[in-house]
Parts: sequence; C-alpha cells; structure tokens
Amino acid sequence: IVMTQTPLSSPVTLGQPASISCRSSQSLVHSDGNTYLSWLQQRPGQPPRLLIYKISNRFSGVPDRFSGSGAGTDFTLKISRVEAEDVGVYYCTQASQFPSTFGQGTRLEIK
Amino acid sequence: QVQLVQSGAEVKKPGASVKVSCTASGYTFTSYYIHWVRQAPGQRLEWMAIINPGDSSTTNAQRFQGRVTMTRDMSTSTIHMELSSLRSEDTAVYYCVRSSGRTFDFWGQGTLVTVSS
Repeated sequence: IVMTQTPLSSPVTLGQPASISCRSSQSLVHSDGNTYLSWLQQRPGQPPRLLIYKISNRFSGVPDRFSGSGAGTDFTLKISRVEAEDVGVYYCTQASQFPSTFGQGTRLEIK
Repeated sequence: QVQLVQSGAEVKKPGASVKVSCTASGYTFTSYYIHWVRQAPGQRLEWMAIINPGDSSTTNAQRFQGRVTMTRDMSTSTIHMELSSLRSEDTAVYYCVRSSGRTFDFWGQGTLVTVSS
C-alpha cells in the first residue's frame, strides 16, 4: 500500500492551525473492522514518536491540540494551534496490510 | 517506563555484515513484537522485519529476504538484528520499534549504519 501525504512542507504561524493529509492506495479497513492508520512526529535529531493511532486515538501524553480523522483511504492530522515544539516531520503509517508502509513525510516549519 | 536502547553507530565496508542490538526495559519482553524500520537519507521510513520475542518467530520484508537475521536474548531482553551483504544503499538509521496491536508505540533512539569503502 502506497501512502501519499500532502503537503510535503507546511509553513505555519505560531498559534495558527495546521492540517496534513494522507491518502492510501487501498482501503485501510482491516478484516477485524479496525483501521490501523497512525501518525508519527519526528522532531529534529529525534526518533519518530507516536501521536495518533487507529485514525483518531491520541497516544499517552500527546497534547489535545493534535487530532486525527478520516476513513477508508483518506485521513487527516490537525493541530489546532501550532506551538514551537511542533516543528518537525510528520508521517502517516499503515499496519492494516503487510508490510507496514509510511508516507513520505510532511515538514512543519514556523513562518 | 518503556525504553528501547540501541547499540552505537557502525561503519562497515561493502559486502560486510552489521549487527544492531535493541535492549528493552519497562515491560514484559515476551509480550510485544519488535520491528526494525530504517530511514535512509532523503527516503521515507521503510519497514524491514518483525520478531516475536515470545517464540523467536520472524518475518522479513521481501526485499530483505536472505539478508536479515534476528535473534533474541531472553537473559538481557535484547533483540539482535544482523544485516548481511551490505551495500552503499544500506546506509541509514536503523530503529527498533515495539508494536502493540498493530501500532508502533515505542521507538528506539536509532543506530546509524554507514556503508563505505
């Protein structure tokens, strides 16, 4: 499954919202009824970190300004008010079908 | 707290093998799968392989068949991943990642492997 993210780069003003889209080449609905679409954040010089799993579930410790939505093949990550610490690259990833695959990443930067 | 601590950076010549280790702590080692994901310069993250620490069963991505071997050490809660027949395109940061219910929930800090003559 090919994961395609848009935009590849997103300059945002502090305090403003940001949105990243992810589209899969096939439906991500698994035979068990779940959709295994996650969002990762990679800050500069750090490993990726889980933000959102199964489309819309925030992982432990993730601020509530991050939210995920979508279904089937189209998914969105939203940041309600961007903070300086949100700078980095964001990836969508699917584990509904073997092998797991990743989007090409979206670089979030501050204007 | 869950931690995955990886071994240090490596420099290898083409044709050689490299072994990267991942030591888990903060949870029951045998209860969660461990994956290997790599990130080559300018490339997207790439899933390589998975091991079940409970029974040592493994599965590799097709493109790594025959080149990736994983073993577990129960005494130290460590997974070892060996990649053989290295080529320049294998230069990347290698991550071990825990999964919980098909979600990559905790990542190691990464190990840079450089392949250069």
